[in-house]
Amino acid sequence: EAGVAQSPRYKIIEKRQSVAFWCNPISGHATLYWYQQILGQGPKLLIQFQNNGVVDDSQLPKDRFSAERLKGVDSTLKIQPAKLEDSAVYLCASSSGPPDTQYFGPGTRLTVL
Amino acid sequence: AQSVTQLGSHVSVSEGALVLLRCNYSSSVPPYLFWYVQYPNQGLQLLLKYTSAATLVKGINGFEAEFKKSETSFHLTKPSAHMSDAAEYFCAVSGVPSETQLVFGAGTILRVKS
Repeated sequence: EAGVAQSPRYKIIEKRQSVAFWCNPISGHATLYWYQQILGQGPKLLIQFQNNGVVDDSQLPKDRFSAERLKGVDSTLKIQPAKLEDSAVYLCASSSGPPDTQYFGPGTRLTVL
Repeated sequence: AQSVTQLGSHVSVSEGALVLLRCNYSSSVPPYLFWYVQYPNQGLQLLLKYTSAATLVKGINGFEAEFKKSETSFHLTKPSAHMSDAAEYFCAVSGVPSETQLVFGAGTILRVKS
């Protein structure tokens, strides 16, 4: 079974630029998550999708971050404009349902200069 | 609100020694508890999970954890450390099955000395 795929693996941008990350979950997994992992911290949930609907985006900085999950499969997370404090690893995870085993992708490491 | 505290951001053990990584949680409902491992430049991999069945949970790579409700703890152990166990370990908590969100601790980096 193929795992969660993410691209790119690494991205370096200047502040105020925009960037997008892509995630392809495990086939058949209805729930998709985006996490932000800042160096030295545990992952923090940004947004949760159930199929193509948003379940929770309460921790997503909506003035600069946006995410979509078209057709309930792939998802894209965008940052525009990026700030220095957005430097982190962005992890995508998916699950098929309770009791909530989430499978994580390798992450995208973003560096904002 | 749920929270997780991992005691010790860094733990160092000798190869062959006992591994003990500590995790305490706070939750207003009976929790589901997880341990994940993260190797450098990789995503998180599930080691084991507690979902209100047996309190002693066995996971992959020889790891196990014991749920102690009275102590609100879910410490991770392995009898004999191997060099390949060197990684960062995260404890996480979630609520009832319908609450699918995980709250992670800050992580513990395990170093294994030869």
